[in-house]
Amino acid sequence: EAGVAQSPRYKIIEKRQSVAFWCNPISGHATLYWYQQILGQGPKLLIQFQNNGVVDDSQLPKDRFSAERLKGVDSTLKIQPAKLEDSAVYLCASSLDPGGRQYFGPGTRLTVT
Amino acid sequence: GQQLNQSPQSMFIQEGEDVSMNCTSSSIFNTWLWYKQDPGEGPVLLIALYKAGELTSNGRLTAQFGITRKDSFLNISASIPSDVGIYFCAGSGAGSYQLTFGKGTKLSVIP
Repeated sequence: EAGVAQSPRYKIIEKRQSVAFWCNPISGHATLYWYQQILGQGPKLLIQFQNNGVVDDSQLPKDRFSAERLKGVDSTLKIQPAKLEDSAVYLCASSLDPGGRQYFGPGTRLTVT
Repeated sequence: GQQLNQSPQSMFIQEGEDVSMNCTSSSIFNTWLWYKQDPGEGPVLLIALYKAGELTSNGRLTAQFGITRKDSFLNISASIPSDVGIYFCAGSGAGSYQLTFGKGTKLSVIP
């Protein structure tokens, strides 16, 4: 069974530029999560989807971050414009249902200069 | 919001030694999870705990859900070089599946 796929694996951008990350969850997983992991910290939930609807986006900085999961499968996370403090690893995870075991992808390491 | 204090931050041990790390929460959790993260990878679930007092093993790993529901510990017995990585505790409280993660314990094993 294929795991959670993410791309790109690495991205370097200048501040005020835009960036987008892509995630393909495990087939059949209805719940998808985006986490931000700053160096030396644990992952922090940004947004949770159930199928194509948002369940929790309380910790998403909505002035610059946006995410969508239009067809209830793949998802994209966008940052526009990026700030230096956005430098982090962005992890995508999926689970069969909201309380189920979360499987994490390898993450996208973003560096904002 | 909920906060998790995980300790120690880092550990250097000799191969074959036992390891213990723990997490404490400022509030009651209904679920405690322990993950391992290797460089360049996402966290992988090691052990899940769902009841206060629960003691669960996975090979050389043993974790316990504290009776107060505000703490958990993870033990690794007879460490080996592939145990190297960062171990995270995570938990969720009443009425929410949202996970709060600790800051991690970085384990280094000296052969």
